[in-house]
Amino acid sequence: GEDVEQSLFLSVREGDSSVINCTYTDSSSTYLYWYKQEPGAGLQLLTYIFSNMDMKQDQRLTVLLNKKDKHLSLRIADTQTGDSAIYFCYMGRRALTFGSGTRLQVQP
Amino acid sequence: EAGVAQSPRYKIIEKRQSVAFWCNPISGHATLYWYQQILGQGPKLLIQFQNNGVVDDSQLPKDRFSAERLKGVDSTLKIQPAKLEDSAVYLCASSLLSGRRPGELFFGEGSRLTVL
Repeated sequence: GEDVEQSLFLSVREGDSSVINCTYTDSSSTYLYWYKQEPGAGLQLLTYIFSNMDMKQDQRLTVLLNKKDKHLSLRIADTQTGDSAIYFCYMGRRALTFGSGTRLQVQP
Repeated sequence: EAGVAQSPRYKIIEKRQSVAFWCNPISGHATLYWYQQILGQGPKLLIQFQNNGVVDDSQLPKDRFSAERLKGVDSTLKIQPAKLEDSAVYLCASSLLSGRRPGELFFGEGSRLTVL
């Protein structure tokens, strides 16, 4: 299977929470990253988590890491229309490992 | 701090023509990457440089694609001759070898290629 797998699409209403999930195979990365890509733009770092942490909170963003299940998730609280974008998880060790990304659509 | 610069932003060519993309990474970043992003897909690594040496070019279609980073700073990616399936956004990224978060990538805005 693919090195990184994500669901392709998520639709939420403005103000709700969004949860984007990622499963991976390579567990050798020291850091695991979430990138955001807005239309017509490159990828921008959104947040990251160190591999020996289970959770990291950064304002509206919460990253959860389950190393046993090789599962990474990104929760966006109070989702806004400006959060509409494609979100990629990325295993920092191997530059090859971007999944197809999750397109988040926020409905007003 | 200036970001990763890429040019041109957009290019339209006919199949069998050639095209070149340029990238200037963040100052001091030893590692430079070229990715191909086809519409609806995630970025796929084409080539990774460390300084002026190639680390990984296993997914670069070498019969038509070439890339160089002669002085270990800026880089050029060339496609010759182009095929319809080369229509994509070509993203350049750079990273530090070591530091606060090794492996963190800094991306340019990308060069969108349309092959007719």
